[in-house]
Amino acid sequence: TGVTQSPTHLIKTRGQQVTLSCSPISGHRSVSWYQQTPGQGLQFLFEYFSETQRNKGNFPGRFSGRQFSNSRSEMNVSTLELGDSALYLCASSLVDSGNTIYFGEGSWLTVV
Amino acid sequence: GENVEQHPSTLSVQEGDSAVIKCTYSDSASNYFPWYKQELGKGPQLIIDIRSNVGEKKDQRIAVTLNKTAKHFSLHITETQPEDSAVYFCAASNGGLTGGGNKLTFGTGTQLKVEL
Repeated sequence: TGVTQSPTHLIKTRGQQVTLSCSPISGHRSVSWYQQTPGQGLQFLFEYFSETQRNKGNFPGRFSGRQFSNSRSEMNVSTLELGDSALYLCASSLVDSGNTIYFGEGSWLTVV
Repeated sequence: GENVEQHPSTLSVQEGDSAVIKCTYSDSASNYFPWYKQELGKGPQLIIDIRSNVGEKKDQRIAVTLNKTAKHFSLHITETQPEDSAVYFCAASNGGLTGGGNKLTFGTGTQLKVEL
């Protein structure tokens, strides 16, 4: 099976917080997150390997993530703003660097 | 940081024709260049990738070329079919031997339309 994300769609109110979940391909230990919007395109949020954040993009501290010992990952956005409405994509890779990266179908977040 | 530019933003071809999408990158340390196809409402699907130690790679109707000196790489689709219609993204990463992790910098995408 591929990268699985949940939920697939959700609607939140401005000021609330949201948690998105990602299960990587079996055996993959690297998980990264991206935000996709019509205006900004695909932007890197952060990457985790062996429960440690390895890379971080240029997003405010309201965006956070974590990885569990089974490589599953969650990302959290606190104090939601209208501009956080986007498709949030999770991607996984076998090793920590330089390997093929596969994406899930994403979680569509709408902030109203 | 890395910057990836992609052209054209839209491309319309007749079924059976070839399509070419071009990308340039800025960071000479980038060594991994994947291409993704994204259909409406879905996540990006990897269609082909190339590493900096290779100049060209082909997989059936799809090929990618890389010119490290000029810092550009291109996607070539031959004998296009209606199901090739989608948005295509190029990306670059400096992972691999440099240990730069799996961070991808994406181009802005090309909307490919294959007309009957």
